[in-house]
Amino acid sequence: EDKVVQSPLSLVVHEGDTVTLNCSYEVTNFRSLLWYKQEKKAPTFLFMLTSSGIEKKSGRLSSILDKKELFSILNITATQTGDSAVYLCAGQGGSEKLVFGKGTKLTVNP
Amino acid sequence: SQTIHQWPATLVQPVGSPLSLECTVEGTSNPNLYWYRQAAGRGLQLLFYSVGIGQISSEVPQNLSASRPQDRQFILSSKKLLLSDSGFYLCAWRNVGTSGRQFFGPGTRLTVL
Repeated sequence: EDKVVQSPLSLVVHEGDTVTLNCSYEVTNFRSLLWYKQEKKAPTFLFMLTSSGIEKKSGRLSSILDKKELFSILNITATQTGDSAVYLCAGQGGSEKLVFGKGTKLTVNP
Repeated sequence: SQTIHQWPATLVQPVGSPLSLECTVEGTSNPNLYWYRQAAGRGLQLLFYSVGIGQISSEVPQNLSASRPQDRQFILSSKKLLLSDSGFYLCAWRNVGTSGRQFFGPGTRLTVL
């Protein structure tokens, strides 16, 4: 059965800290790994990664995929209170399904 | 640009009552559509997906059903709600032939009492 595991489940940091969120996956016929940010309602898309070693960047957020070791990390530098959210990782295999992890709840305190 | 709508935003229903949640997408044609449930402390669980009008695939056995009467309309239903149906229901879409990137609606918070 396909599985995505995120760690840690929750994290509390101070503004300005750098955080690393982890995602490991076991997905049959793996095609891509996606990261979403969920604040109060709808998850919003952050990154999609398909190739190992290619780092995606958007401002203070970046993500990289390791297809050999079957994991991805999401880095957030110089965190701000607006980064507080649940970060979801999902793996896509050969079907229509996205298999989601339980998420990492990030709290950034001022 | 594409937008996705869900209603109602919140719903409180008694056990045994029926359910109908609606999702519509604008600005795209022939999207793939998805229903997810997010229960407390758990990840997003795919319930149903549809690749076209009248085509529904069920991912987990459950008390719910889905229908797609029009290209951009996706409905989640139940004849009799259970307490375990409580949760946050999210509709999502993606363009056929593109990557796995799915876009989510605002969700419906369902509480069954």
